[in-house]
Amino acid sequence: DQQVKQNSPSLSVQEGRISILNCDYTNSMFDYFLWYKKYPAEGPTFLISISSIKDKNEDGRFTVFLNKSAKHLSLHIVPSQPGDSAVYFCAASDTGANSKLTFGKGITLSVRP
Amino acid sequence: KAGVTQTPRYLIKTRGQQVTLSCSPISGHRSVSWYQQTPGQGLQFLFEYFSETQRNKGNFPGRFSGRQFSNSRSEMNVSTLELGDSALYLCASSLDIVRDLSYEQYFGPGTRLTVT
Repeated sequence: DQQVKQNSPSLSVQEGRISILNCDYTNSMFDYFLWYKKYPAEGPTFLISISSIKDKNEDGRFTVFLNKSAKHLSLHIVPSQPGDSAVYFCAASDTGANSKLTFGKGITLSVRP
Repeated sequence: KAGVTQTPRYLIKTRGQQVTLSCSPISGHRSVSWYQQTPGQGLQFLFEYFSETQRNKGNFPGRFSGRQFSNSRSEMNVSTLELGDSALYLCASSLDIVRDLSYEQYFGPGTRLTVT
């Protein structure tokens, strides 16, 4: 049973436009969410996180939105740059239970120059 | 500050052998987690160590084990290797999660294990 789902395996966006990456989860105990970016042959790099007590968190070009009632979060990248081309993983944690991160399967983002 | 380091980066083993992978966390980080990444399953949690104790464990068979040393460095061991164990093994470190309410984990580059 996949508790964190990234249903779109890939996304292609024009440079300068907005990239919206979506993530859904099923476990209502998840209360902390993270986005990671991964280039080939490298480990995932932490991008941004959000606690369930918030519905939005911004860091530069990256904004994460959380809709708890819909069990949905999204990562917005504005403006998108060719260097953003990578695989993006959504992860979730039940912080009251343990430190384990449950990951989605990732979305491959391609930003066209 | 140096990042998470993992050795070796690449490894080729044959079925039935055993393997040990090593991870050095970011200085000051006391929690170390291990993940397995495969094309079909994505990143799956193996286990987490804190202060030399296994604090959490994923759904992997007992052939997968680990340990943590007093300097927070960690090793994971896979015995009786199977073809399906071929994967990228990632180590991640983080601060004392309970004390600092810090849930971000920082990953190393991984060890690519190929079992033939």
